[in-house]
Amino acid sequence: DQQVKQNSPSLRVQEGRISILNCDYTNSMFDYFLWYKKYPAEGPTFLISISSIKDKNEDGRFTVFLNKSAKHLSLHIVPSQPGDSAVYFCAATSTSGTYKYIFGTGTRLKVLA
Amino acid sequence: ETGVTQTPRHLVMGMTNKKSLKCEQHLGHNAMYWYKQSAKKPLELMFVYNFKEQTENNSVPSRFSPECPNSSHLFLHLHTLQPEDSALYLCASSRSGTGSTEAFFGQGTRLTVV
Repeated sequence: DQQVKQNSPSLRVQEGRISILNCDYTNSMFDYFLWYKKYPAEGPTFLISISSIKDKNEDGRFTVFLNKSAKHLSLHIVPSQPGDSAVYFCAATSTSGTYKYIFGTGTRLKVLA
Repeated sequence: ETGVTQTPRHLVMGMTNKKSLKCEQHLGHNAMYWYKQSAKKPLELMFVYNFKEQTENNSVPSRFSPECPNSSHLFLHLHTLQPEDSALYLCASSRSGTGSTEAFFGQGTRLTVV
């Protein structure tokens, strides 16, 4: 049973346009959500996070939106740059129990120059 | 540089070999993790340690044996592995306790079982 799902395995976006990566979760106990970026042959790098008490968190070109009722979150990258090309993982955890970060399968973003 | 260092970066081992993966973090964190990443699968949580105590074993086969001698070091001992165990093994650390916090990952060890 996959508790965190990223249904789009890949996404291609033109440079300068918006990239929108989506993530769905099923566990109501999750209250903290994270996005990681991963290049080949490297470990995931933390990008941005959001607590369930918020519905939006912004950091430069990156914004994460959380819709708790739909159990859905999304990562917006504006404007997209070729260097953003990587695999993006969504992760979720419950801060009230053992810290377990549950990851989705990832979305491979390709930003075209 | 994330503050989490894994060695070796690459490892090829036979099914009868015994080897160990090492992870070290310099972030002052108290929680450490082992994840496995196979092709086209999500990162699979294997083990969690909080303050050196194992708090999670995600039904991992006994041929994988973790060890956490202190909050800064984590090992994964491998023996009699199968070819399907070939994957990228990732170590991570985070602050433990209450509150929101993110996990920081090492570069991973690419393991090939032949």
